[in-house]
Amino acid sequence: SQQGEEDPQALSIQEGENATMNCSYKTSINNLQWYRQNSGRGLVHLILIRSNEREKHSGRLRVTLDTSKKSSSLLITASRAADTASYFCATLRGSQGNLIFGKGTKLSVKP
Amino acid sequence: GAGVSQSPSNKVTEKGKDVELRCDPISGHTALYWYRQSLGQGLEFLIYFQGNSAPDKSGLPSDRFSAERTGGSVSTLTIQRTQQEDSAVYLCASSQGGNNQPQHFGDGTRLSIL
Repeated sequence: SQQGEEDPQALSIQEGENATMNCSYKTSINNLQWYRQNSGRGLVHLILIRSNEREKHSGRLRVTLDTSKKSSSLLITASRAADTASYFCATLRGSQGNLIFGKGTKLSVKP
Repeated sequence: GAGVSQSPSNKVTEKGKDVELRCDPISGHTALYWYRQSLGQGLEFLIYFQGNSAPDKSGLPSDRFSAERTGGSVSTLTIQRTQQEDSAVYLCASSQGGNNQPQHFGDGTRLSIL
């Protein structure tokens, strides 16, 4: 079953603009991860934030985590056409190995 | 190879046939995962291996699905007596193990049941 819900389901922006995607989840987590998927390809890991962290940066990516609200956001700054992809949040619960994915946000960046 | 390799990349078969999907994880990765991605269900967890053992088989949708991993490396996912609802992209991932390690995905096998 799905753990998280991404919002929005689809986002269309112009190159250079920032893109913000949100994720909500239902149960307590060990960590939360964001993945990217280009059409017809596998998922690529972007960033992992642990449950005791509130914010993390990686290049043009900024992830926040609010465990009290069970939510996370992914910000992509100065977007590029190559950022066009689907973005998924995924949570890891306790000692279980598997990730539970949200339904994803489809981002389209127009040149 | 450098990444997770899955084969075949595409498989079309008739309803009722058995299919076998293969995953070659990144060398040295102890954990291996199978997921299924379909339009209606999104990304679903199927099974997880730590070494050769499968501590979590909870995601396998029916007893027609089985998986094994030998030598702590290659894994095969077998679907017996395929049904049309089995049509999906089957994704394999591997990681170094441990809860705070990212998972590295292959490009998947696109399975179509006619």
